[in-house]
Amino acid sequence: DAGITQSPRYKITETGRQVTLMCHQTWSHSYMFWYRQDLGHGLRLIYYSAAADITDKGEVPDGYVVSRSKTENFPLTLESATRSQTSVYFCASSPLTGGNTIYFGEGSWLTVV
Amino acid sequence: KQEVTQIPAALSVPEGENLVLNCSFTDSAIYNLQWFRQDPGKGLTSLLLIQSSQREQTSGRLNASLDKSSGRSTLYIAASQPGDSATYLCAVFNAGNNRKLIWGLGTSLAVNP
Repeated sequence: DAGITQSPRYKITETGRQVTLMCHQTWSHSYMFWYRQDLGHGLRLIYYSAAADITDKGEVPDGYVVSRSKTENFPLTLESATRSQTSVYFCASSPLTGGNTIYFGEGSWLTVV
Repeated sequence: KQEVTQIPAALSVPEGENLVLNCSFTDSAIYNLQWFRQDPGKGLTSLLLIQSSQREQTSGRLNASLDKSSGRSTLYIAASQPGDSATYLCAVFNAGNNRKLIWGLGTSLAVNP
């Protein structure tokens, strides 16, 4: 089915480990986003990308790295996981920014122990 | 700095009731406002998008209004059903130099049979 898929859906990792969350969309949307959602903070933008090879920081980029070598993929890497990065992570995409609907994946639940 | 507030944080109603969810924002310079639904353990699904030049949008039993000058939007749900139980989030897309999506924390709705 077409859409936006995230993997893994659930992950437990240890402090200090590197973790990569994958995101794949089949619509060829230009824009892709990574958010984290935490109780009391709502959705916070980590990184976004306007096109392949173009990425930019959001509100909370520290400790995260992204890349976008292909339009359809936008992986998020936690270089050295910390407990404060325990969260649910959502990938999203949109054909354009601003005036268009944004489509979300199902989320990746990450626990750092 | 744009801030988005959703009141109440939680709402419980009996099935069949018409209800209104509120969203307020502090800066009227927006491109659009979107309402989303989030089911437990799931991603967000876009319900309605209202452009800044529009006053309302309708989809089935849902009607969203926008009063940009007063910084308010309402999501009206007619004849509520248990299947409407979810968290409803609103987000505004800022105009001007700070063009990004600003999220409210959501209203958790429970519709009781």
